[in-house]
This record gives sequence, structure tokens and C-alpha cells, in this order.
Amino acid sequence: AQSVTQLDSQVPVFEEAPVELRCNYSSSVSVYLFWYVQYPNQGLQLLLKYLSGSTLVESINGFEAEFNKSQTSFHLRKPSVHISDTAEYFCAVRRNSGTYKYIFGTGTRLKVLA
Amino acid sequence: KAGVTQTPRYLIKTRGQQVTLSCSPISGHRSVSWYQQTPGQGLQFLFEYFSETQRNKGNFPGRFSGRQFSNSRSEMNVSTLELGDSALYLCASGPLMAGGQDTQYFGPGTRLTVL
Repeated sequence: AQSVTQLDSQVPVFEEAPVELRCNYSSSVSVYLFWYVQYPNQGLQLLLKYLSGSTLVESINGFEAEFNKSQTSFHLRKPSVHISDTAEYFCAVRRNSGTYKYIFGTGTRLKVLA
Repeated sequence: KAGVTQTPRYLIKTRGQQVTLSCSPISGHRSVSWYQQTPGQGLQFLFEYFSETQRNKGNFPGRFSGRQFSNSRSEMNVSTLELGDSALYLCASGPLMAGGQDTQYFGPGTRLTVL
């Protein structure tokens, strides 16, 4: 079985400040790791994913996440946030074969303040 | 390429009624999954289909059912609606049977309100 923990339900941060959204996971099988973002009244959009290889993955809009196997973590970071980054962020795991089923964390609501 | 389409976008029903939600995957995609999103329970997996076969089912009561058609479009049905079924229902489509390094793409969701 797999589980995902996002300890921070809300993270307020001022514009242009750095931010880190934490994600820890537990799994007895090999998994892939994902971050999805959800803007108000919209579905989920893939932000980035870790499948294999380099443990640091980056998105096109400045976010990055680092897979840490020993700490079973996949924290999301951005060095300088914008008002437009205000959204809910979900960490998720998925077995690396046999299914598309995601196990999602409870989400972190990022609020960027002017 | 058009994205995942879900209809209707908004729905209001009363307790005891039944409802059918529809999902059209990205053209060429053959895998469809459904999720329920609520403030209390977060995102919960409902079903996964590939080529008209249900491959995975989440921990929901039998009132929740689904199916997939030969054109990969999928429907989910909820019978005898309860207040707790009020949620955003998300559909996601993927290109292949399952897993691997493929990405699933989510639709905008159907917002169901049960009164």
C-alpha cells in the first residue's frame, strides 16, 4: 500500500519570496512521484514528475522538486513565487507499473501575498 | 489536440436521485480513471478502465458504478444520491493500458451538488 503526507495544509508567502511545499510518502513497492497543481474551479495540471534518473526535476515555470529516497520525500520548491502561483498543490504517488491509480496527499494551499 | 472533456460541468440533484457523468478522453487515449474530490476526504480514486474493462476499483459503495465504451468514452453513475456525494468528480485519461512512464491528463471536472 502507498500513502502520501502533506503536512502543511496552507502556506502563505510574500511575492518574490522562496517557498517549499513538503511531501513525504510511504510505499512497499516502487513508485513514481508527481506534483499536480489545481487552480480554482479547474482540474489538475501536472507540474512535474520523478520517474527515474536525476533526483532533481524541474518544471517550465520555475518549480523544482527533489526525490530523496532515504527520507522518502519529494519536496517542491520555488526560489521566487508570483501572485499567479496561488493555487492548491497536490503530491501524488503511482506504482511504476500495472496501473494509473494515483494516491494523492491532502493538498497544500499556497497563497502568495502582495 | 483537444483535452479531456467532462460533461456536464455542473449538476444539482436531490437526495435519492441518480446521476450519470460523462468523460471523453484525449483522442487516442484508451485508459480512463475517475476520482472524487471533497474538502473532507481529498482526492479519492474511484475506478480505472482500459478497453472497456475495469482494471481497478476504489473503496466506494456499490452505488458508484462506471463503464467504458468502445470509443474510450466513459461514464460513471451514482444511484440513490446522498448529501455526502456532493463533490468534484475528475476524470483522467492516459495513452496506454497502465502505468509505465506515461502521463495522465485530467479534465476540468463535474461539480455535483446534492440537496
